[in-house]
Amino acid sequence: AQKITQTQPGMFVQEKEAVTLDCTYDTSDQSYGLFWYKQPSSGEMIFLIYQGSYDEQNATEGRYSLNFQKARKSANLVISASQLGDSAMYFCAMREGLASGSARQLTFGSGTQLTVLP
Amino acid sequence: DVKVTQSSRYLVKRTGEKVFLECVQDMDHENMFWYRQDPGLGLRLIYFSYDVKMKEKGDIPEGYSVSREKKERFSLILESASTNQTSMYLCASSSNRARTDTEAFFGQGTRLTVV
Repeated sequence: AQKITQTQPGMFVQEKEAVTLDCTYDTSDQSYGLFWYKQPSSGEMIFLIYQGSYDEQNATEGRYSLNFQKARKSANLVISASQLGDSAMYFCAMREGLASGSARQLTFGSGTQLTVLP
Repeated sequence: DVKVTQSSRYLVKRTGEKVFLECVQDMDHENMFWYRQDPGLGLRLIYFSYDVKMKEKGDIPEGYSVSREKKERFSLILESASTNQTSMYLCASSSNRARTDTEAFFGQGTRLTVV
């Protein structure tokens, strides 16, 4: 089974509007972390936001917020007031086994290509 | 400024060649990872290492091996390159410190073409 599922291969949003990128995950661990990364056309991976499984509040970082619904195993990224520079590939990722002190590998979804329209 | 550096940005190799992709990090991180990225498939983990000389297979280890002789360096080896190994390869590192929000830091990627 897929550990991280991103069902939107491509999304379009008008500049200055908000957009939600979907991510669902599958794990039996109680302690895990969820991440979102941005990959512009230049190829570098840019860390955006993190949510821990025990965090009670949704994470926020500037215009990025993570809508964490633990019971539904979803961790959607919300970008407010989209800018042209937000056009990029966005990846959701999960790190399991945080409590066990294991190597903490990061498992990625297939990504969503976001295009911001002027 | 944290840094993960991959030795080549672009690489073209012939089928059957032995290929080395090198990755160096300067953050004293315990964990290092090799991923390959293909359109529609996201990033798939090939191998990771949690300590010097220690390695674990990821989801797609076939056709690859790794070496970690020093903490800062993690090498990916294609023993006999094949055309289906044409891809973007990304190296990453992360820490095992107590805080849980330790994201992985990535290199700039190596686009490998096997002809």
